[in-house]
Amino acid sequence: KQEVTQIPAALSVPEGENLVLNCSFTDSAIYNLQWFRQDPGKGLTSLLLIQSSQREQTSGRLNASLDKSSGRSTLYIAASQPGDSATYLCAVNTGANSKLTFGKGITLSVRP
Amino acid sequence: DGGITQSPKYLFRKEGQNVTLSCEQNLNHDAMYWYRQDPGQGLRLIYYSQIVNDFQKGDIAEGYSVSREKKESFPLTVTSAQKNPTAFYLCASSIDHVLNTEAFFGQGTRLTVV
Repeated sequence: KQEVTQIPAALSVPEGENLVLNCSFTDSAIYNLQWFRQDPGKGLTSLLLIQSSQREQTSGRLNASLDKSSGRSTLYIAASQPGDSATYLCAVNTGANSKLTFGKGITLSVRP
Repeated sequence: DGGITQSPKYLFRKEGQNVTLSCEQNLNHDAMYWYRQDPGQGLRLIYYSQIVNDFQKGDIAEGYSVSREKKESFPLTVTSAQKNPTAFYLCASSIDHVLNTEAFFGQGTRLTVV
């Protein structure tokens, strides 16, 4: 059974810092991996999708990498801003009817 | 505006009642999903539908029912058989369930039992 872990559960950093959010998964046979952002009381916003054949994806200040063999993905946020404060979730798609298995998320707080 | 619309945003249910959560998408996506989110837990899949008139149980389908009569609509009914329905419910869709599986989510419905 696929399990997705995100550690730590919460992170607080000063504005301007570059930071890395980690995601690990137990079964490397994934179809793709997706990073989401969730603001309090809101739905999920898709940030980046990495296919299993890809190593990384970039969007603006965000860069996500994937190492399937070691069961790890990282989300790199450059020059963090208070507006980046949110919960970040990663989810893996094992290809079985596109079911996503989610981690519990990392709640990020960027201090002005 | 293209997207996924969930309604209502807040819903209160009395003990023994059935309630239906609405999910509508105008993205022309074939696949649709319902997830449940509880504090301190990851999202869990309730039901999914790969195409109109077809749906499958997810990991926690007991006490829930769905229908997929139209491509754009995937309503979720929380029945009285669901013992702990208080949660945040999220609907999602993707172009298909094979090649284009990037998931897009609605804004959620918060259900509370009173």
